[in-house]
Amino acid sequence: ILNVEQSPQSLHVQEGDSTNFTCSFPSSNFYALHWYRWETAKSPEALFVMTLNGDEKKKGRISATLNTKEGYSYLYIKGSQPEDSATYLCAPRSGSGGSNYKLTFGKGTLLTVNP
Amino acid sequence: DTAVSQTPKYLVTQMGNDKSIKCEQNLGHDTMYWYKQDSKKFLKIMFSYNNKELIINETVPNRFSPKSPDKAHLNLHINSLELGDSAVYFCASSHLPGQGNEKLFFGSGTQLSVL
Repeated sequence: ILNVEQSPQSLHVQEGDSTNFTCSFPSSNFYALHWYRWETAKSPEALFVMTLNGDEKKKGRISATLNTKEGYSYLYIKGSQPEDSATYLCAPRSGSGGSNYKLTFGKGTLLTVNP
Repeated sequence: DTAVSQTPKYLVTQMGNDKSIKCEQNLGHDTMYWYKQDSKKFLKIMFSYNNKELIINETVPNRFSPKSPDKAHLNLHINSLELGDSAVYFCASSHLPGQGNEKLFFGSGTQLSVL
């Protein structure tokens, strides 16, 4: 079972603040890293899937970076808005795919953006 | 049109009963999953199917039996329900991991309450 750590567990910021949080995972048997955003009373929604060391992805004010050698990924939110309030989950995939893969979710970082 | 739809949204039942949760996706994905959100809000994989074949079975009690009549459907049948089965169950689908676009799309969840 992959040991996936996300920090911090929760975070409160003011509207307009920029913030970031971390996902740590074993660097061995790594194939891909997923980020999801999960709003209360909704279902998780994919943000990014990254595979290569040094990958950087961006979607609006949200971006993510990946370091596969040391086993971590950062998610950044620039100019947080109240609608960014959600739990952000990361999930590394072990196994190359086909019939050999497993996606393991971290416990998430709960972000609350105060207006 | 809902991409991944699961029914029912809420299910309240007595201990010992047998119940089913249905899931359908219209995204043309070949891989479908069942996840359980445990009491600590942690998403844990239960099963994964690819083209109707079982790929992942994560030490789930054999009272849980997934059935995939075709690659667009993955239903979950639970026999002899126990109190500890109370949780939110999420269905998801994706293209086969490792082949390019593997983001998971989640259904809206089924909240199961066993009394």
